[in-house]
Amino acid sequence: DADVTQTPRNRITKTGKRIMLECSQTKGHDRMYWYRQDPGLGLRLIYYSFDVKDINKGEISDGYSVSRQAQAKFSLSLESAIPNQTALYFCATSDPRDRWNGYTFGSGTRLTVV
Amino acid sequence: QKEVEQNSGPLSVPEGAIASLNCTYSDRGSQSFFWYRQYSGKSPELIMSIYSNGDKEDGRFTAQLNKASQYVSLLIRDSQPSDSATYLCAASPGYSSASKIIFGSGTRLSIRP
Repeated sequence: DADVTQTPRNRITKTGKRIMLECSQTKGHDRMYWYRQDPGLGLRLIYYSFDVKDINKGEISDGYSVSRQAQAKFSLSLESAIPNQTALYFCATSDPRDRWNGYTFGSGTRLTVV
Repeated sequence: QKEVEQNSGPLSVPEGAIASLNCTYSDRGSQSFFWYRQYSGKSPELIMSIYSNGDKEDGRFTAQLNKASQYVSLLIRDSQPSDSATYLCAASPGYSSASKIIFGSGTRLSIRP
C-alpha cells in the first residue's frame, strides 16, 4: 500500500456540487498539506495542518475547506465546485524531525468541474 | 510574495550530455532547498535536498547552492531518456524540511536520443 493514499484518483463533477477529496497516510507524520497544480503554475498551497488541532490557510484557500479527522486523515472539500477549480490535487505529508526528505506526496486526484 | 523562479523550458538536451537546471529564490531567509522530479500526471518525487553553500552529489545528480546569489541549480550527468520530466525547484524558510515549502513552476526537460 502507498504511504499516502488519495481518493478518488479521478473525478468529474458538476458546477455547484459539493465534493470531498480524501487523504490518508501511514507515515506517522504530523504535518499534512493540500496543493493544487495547474499547467504552468506549479504547486500552490491550499491548506496545511501541523497537527490534529492545527489548521491553516495557504495561499489559495478561498472556495475550499478542510478537516483533519485524525493524525492520518486530512480531507479537502469544495463547498460549491466551479470550473476554475479543475486541477490536479495533491496531498503531502512531512515529518518535522526529518531534515532531508521533504514531503511525501500522494498520487494525486484529477478533478474536472463541468 | 516569496517566490521561487524557474525557466519553464522546454530544455532539450542530447542523450549522454549534461543537463543544467537553474532556479532563483526571493526569500533570503530560505534555508532548505529541494529538487523534485515529476513525470506527466504523476506526483513529484524528491531527488535532491541541499542546505549548505556548495555542491552536493548523488549519483548522476549534483545540486549546487549559492545563498549570496540566491541561486540553486541541478546538474544531471550522462542524461538518459528516462530523465525527461518536469523538475521542480523548492525552498523552505526553516531548517526543518517540514516547514512550508514554496515551489517553482518547474522546468520541462526533454532528453533527445
